Amino acid sequence: DIQMTQSPSAMSASVGDRVTITCRASQGISNYLAWFQQKPGKVPKRLIYAASSLQSGVPSRFSGSGSGTEFTLTISSLQPEDFATYYCLQHNSYPHTFGQGTKLEIK
Amino acid sequence: EVQLVESGGGLVQPGGSLRLSCAASGFTFSSYWMSWVRQAPGKGLEWVANIKQDGSEKYYVDSVKGRFTISRDNAKNSLYLQMNSLRAEDTAVYYCARDHSNGPVRYWGQGTLVTVSS
Repeated sequence: DIQMTQSPSAMSASVGDRVTITCRASQGISNYLAWFQQKPGKVPKRLIYAASSLQSGVPSRFSGSGSGTEFTLTISSLQPEDFATYYCLQHNSYPHTFGQGTKLEIK
Repeated sequence: EVQLVESGGGLVQPGGSLRLSCAASGFTFSSYWMSWVRQAPGKGLEWVANIKQDGSEKYYVDSVKGRFTISRDNAKNSLYLQMNSLRAEDTAVYYCARDHSNGPVRYWGQGTLVTVSS
């Protein structure tokens, strides 16, 4: 199985900060990677697909990059509604696997 | 509007069985891969299984192979997850999700809670 390792596991930041979350795959997955946001008590929401394509309706401050084994999710200027937990998901091979999550908290 | 509504969760004893259902509407159900994803209390997301449009291909995470079976009824616009030999570690909210041509789990249901406990 492909292991997905996110870093950091948790972080604190301030409104307006630029934030980067990394996801590393244990083997190459091309660009078969998506990013999700989950707020407490809510259903996950897909933000990015194909590593760098922004889901319709998602603010442009979110961006994704990477290919192969290393991927990043960047929030260019944090807004209050962005404090949540973020997950990556690889779908290059079965079983699909999520990263362990990155909890983004307010500093 | 895509709608996915799960049902069938509840409390079950270890070793017991449960069948989850997901009623889909707002799209042509028979045209999409469908998935189940779960989340244990306070934990992260875990992809569980998915099924091809016509049911001819099914894939599972190792921890549920041989115990869970994913199926679908395209005539009823419904997805199912038959869960047997349940264990405490299967306790989770189970989400039904619709895939998209550009990747999996694009749309999610609200989830149904399964609790395995004596």
